[in-house]
Amino acid sequence: DIQMTQSPSSVSASVGDRVTITCRASQGISSWLAWYQQKPGKAPKLLIYAASSLQSGVPSRFSGSGSGTDFTLTISSLQPEDFATYYCQQANSFLRTFGQGTKVEIK
Amino acid sequence: EVQLVESGGGLVQPGGSLRLSCAASGFTVSSNYMSWVRQAPGKGLEWVSVIYSGGSTYYADSVKGRFTISRDNSKNTLYLQMNSLRAEDTAVYYCAREEGYYSHYYMDVWGKGTTVTVSS
Repeated sequence: DIQMTQSPSSVSASVGDRVTITCRASQGISSWLAWYQQKPGKAPKLLIYAASSLQSGVPSRFSGSGSGTDFTLTISSLQPEDFATYYCQQANSFLRTFGQGTKVEIK
Repeated sequence: EVQLVESGGGLVQPGGSLRLSCAASGFTVSSNYMSWVRQAPGKGLEWVSVIYSGGSTYYADSVKGRFTISRDNSKNTLYLQMNSLRAEDTAVYYCAREEGYYSHYYMDVWGKGTTVTVSS
């Protein structure tokens, strides 16, 4: 199985900050990676697919990059509604796997 | 409107069984890849199972042999039959539609989840 490791596990940031979250795959997955946002008590929401494609309706301050084993999610200017937990997920294998999550907290 | 609504969760004793349902509207379940994802209390997301439009099914090692994913095309509904339940199966269970992009699939529509508690 492909293991996904995110870092950091949590980050404290202020409104307007640039935030970067990384995700590493245990083996190469080309660009077959998604990022999701989850707020407490809510279902996850797809933000980015194919490593860098923005899902319809998602603000352009979210961006993704990377290929192979190393990927990043960047929030260019953190907004109050962005405080949430973010997960990466590999879509290269029929056995999907998620990273353990990164919680973005208010500083 | 594209929507997924899960039901069937509840309290069950260890070793018991439960069947979760996920009713879809606005799209056809049988034409899409559909997944179940769970989240234990205070923990991260764990993928559980997927059924492809062609009918192939796959499972996480943690549930293989105990859980069965299926669908009823006439009801446009996805199911997860869960047998031999353990305490560690306690979680919110989400169903999700997978949308394809160059033959790789991403979970673009999610239900609100149904809670399963396994306890004596």
